[in-house]
Amino acid sequence: DGGITQSPKYLFRKEGQNVTLSCEQNLNHDAMYWYRQDPGQGLRLIYYSQIVNDFQKGDIAEGYSVSREKKESFPLTVTSAQKNPTAFYLCASSRGLTDTQYFGPGTRLTVL
Amino acid sequence: AQSVTQLGSHVSVSEGALVLLRCNYSSSVPPYLFWYVQYPNQGLQLLLKYTSAATLVKGINGFEAEFKKSETSFHLTKPSAHMSDAAEYFCAVSDRSNYQLIWGAGTKLIIKP
Repeated sequence: DGGITQSPKYLFRKEGQNVTLSCEQNLNHDAMYWYRQDPGQGLRLIYYSQIVNDFQKGDIAEGYSVSREKKESFPLTVTSAQKNPTAFYLCASSRGLTDTQYFGPGTRLTVL
Repeated sequence: AQSVTQLGSHVSVSEGALVLLRCNYSSSVPPYLFWYVQYPNQGLQLLLKYTSAATLVKGINGFEAEFKKSETSFHLTKPSAHMSDAAEYFCAVSDRSNYQLIWGAGTKLIIKP
């Protein structure tokens, strides 16, 4: 079955630690995205990648970093510079930027 | 820049009643409009997408939405609510300049037995 997987489902971090969230897709999509979701708010774009080895900042990139070394993978690192990292993180992919985005199941990050 | 407004953070309807979830976008016509559904602690699932082919768009699970340019609206409806429809619904529009999605804040649909 084609789809998007995110791991882990739940993640706990101590303040000052970097953590990396995994996102893998086997849909052969070129574009991938990371969103942050907070209660009562819509999704906010952190980073997106149109193609391997290329990525662009979204609206709230500060304190986050990404890489796109393989077409299938788009990991997100939440650094200690991110002031309020507790949130639900969603990864998505699409064939291209103008195509429908499909979402993974999400990772809930909690900073202790 | 595009913006999206979803009226009502929570909407409560009785099982079997009409579901109406409202979405308005800013005045410039976006290339695409979407409705997604999210069940608790899960990712988002596409319900339907408007691409200018037809103003009435049918989606999954009996939902449909009508694009009304004069009202800058893209409201989501379902004739008869089921308990399984309880979820959060998000409206999104694509920005004409870069095709990034602009999201509404979401509406939680509550179904009363």
